[in-house]
Amino acid sequence: GDSVTQMEGPVTLSEEAFLTINCTYTATGYPSLFWYVQYPGEGLQLLLKATKADDKGSNKGFEATYRKETTSFHLEKGSVQVSDSAVYFCALMAQNTGNQFYFGTGTSLTVIP
Amino acid sequence: DGGITQSPKYLFRKEGQNVTLSCEQNLNHDAMYWYRQDPGQGLRLIYYSQIVNDFQKGDIAEGYSVSREKKESFPLTVTSAQKNPTAFYLCASSHLGATNEKLFFGSGTQLSVL
Repeated sequence: GDSVTQMEGPVTLSEEAFLTINCTYTATGYPSLFWYVQYPGEGLQLLLKATKADDKGSNKGFEATYRKETTSFHLEKGSVQVSDSAVYFCALMAQNTGNQFYFGTGTSLTVIP
Repeated sequence: DGGITQSPKYLFRKEGQNVTLSCEQNLNHDAMYWYRQDPGQGLRLIYYSQIVNDFQKGDIAEGYSVSREKKESFPLTVTSAQKNPTAFYLCASSHLGATNEKLFFGSGTQLSVL
């Protein structure tokens, strides 16, 4: 079945460091891919998305490219800030299963000044 | 403002008690979902509904029940059969049919057992 595997955390970085959170997926067909962010005690918010191969999603300095050949959607940011501290979830939406969403286990990021 | 409202923010359940978590959306979305979030396990789908008066079980439906009498509302009941109900519960909604659709989430309900 469809699934998402993402890098386990927690991840701790100094401010202005480079961030990569790995995400790979398994799916039949052509899923849409997403990164969501969750701040403490809150629901998830969409960070960025990509709907087809080679698409790049970007928002707030974060980027991720839909790589069909490696079935990956890694999240990157060139210079993290303390305010980026949160839990990040990779997800896919598979249209052939009635628009069901599948989430990774989440990666906790802490950025220290 | 459009969005999803979950209530209450915190809920406590006694042994043998059923409790109901509320979820309301004014986004005119067809699909609504309930997820359970436990530390280190990400989100697991409990139930989802794509149309009024119809819903399907997700991966962990045992011990839970739902109803979808109105498009805007998708309440979740945690029954006494759910032996480990302590978790953070998230409601979400989306349109159907397009490849660029996304989930909109509520702010969650933290359920704890007394």
